[in-house]
Amino acid sequence: GAVVSQHPSRVICKSGTSVKIECRSLDFQATTMFWYRQFPKKSLMLMATSNEGSKATYEQGVEKDKFLINHASLTLSTLTVTSAHPEDSSFYICSVPGGTDTQYFGPGTRLTVL
Amino acid sequence: GENVEQHPSTLSVQEGDSAVIKCTYSDSASNYFPWYKQELGKRPQLIIDIRSNVGEKKDQRIAVTLNKTAKHFSLHITETQPEDSAVYFCAARTNAGKSTFGDGTTLTVKP
Repeated sequence: GAVVSQHPSRVICKSGTSVKIECRSLDFQATTMFWYRQFPKKSLMLMATSNEGSKATYEQGVEKDKFLINHASLTLSTLTVTSAHPEDSSFYICSVPGGTDTQYFGPGTRLTVL
Repeated sequence: GENVEQHPSTLSVQEGDSAVIKCTYSDSASNYFPWYKQELGKRPQLIIDIRSNVGEKKDQRIAVTLNKTAKHFSLHITETQPEDSAVYFCAARTNAGKSTFGDGTTLTVKP
């Protein structure tokens, strides 16, 4: 299956700063990537679909101006949490759709906003 | 949109016993149903999946059943082992590619 990496794995930042999270598909070209967030002991909630060469598609209730997504190439999508606040603290996971139905998850990024 | 309900939220079994986790979905257009195992702080790992044209699939100690009419699917783990302890998520996906996840089941296998 596809190998998906995320960077950084953990980040701690001060309230009001912006944080960029990278998702890379190391061996698979991905025109689409998905971004999820997961609160402790909760399920994965789809935030947005990242589309290479076009705008991301955001799920209802997700602020597109706060969670900026850029799908720069077929192997890289970035999620920028702008003006982060403590309530943005979460586990952010990206995924890459496989050849058929499967999706391959990145290892996740733990964001803590102080 | 799709709504996936998962039960139970927690499940504790003795080593060697079976564990069953059930999910229901709402969108009849969903046609792919994966199950993921997630350990604390790690990424979800696909353990088994089933497509809508199949009623049952088995892989060693793990099996999944699907009832399209009733819109529910279940995960069955037999001969459970302590290393099966984790959080398990079901999901339902349509051709649009987006997956909706259940709320998860924390499985504890007691030695």
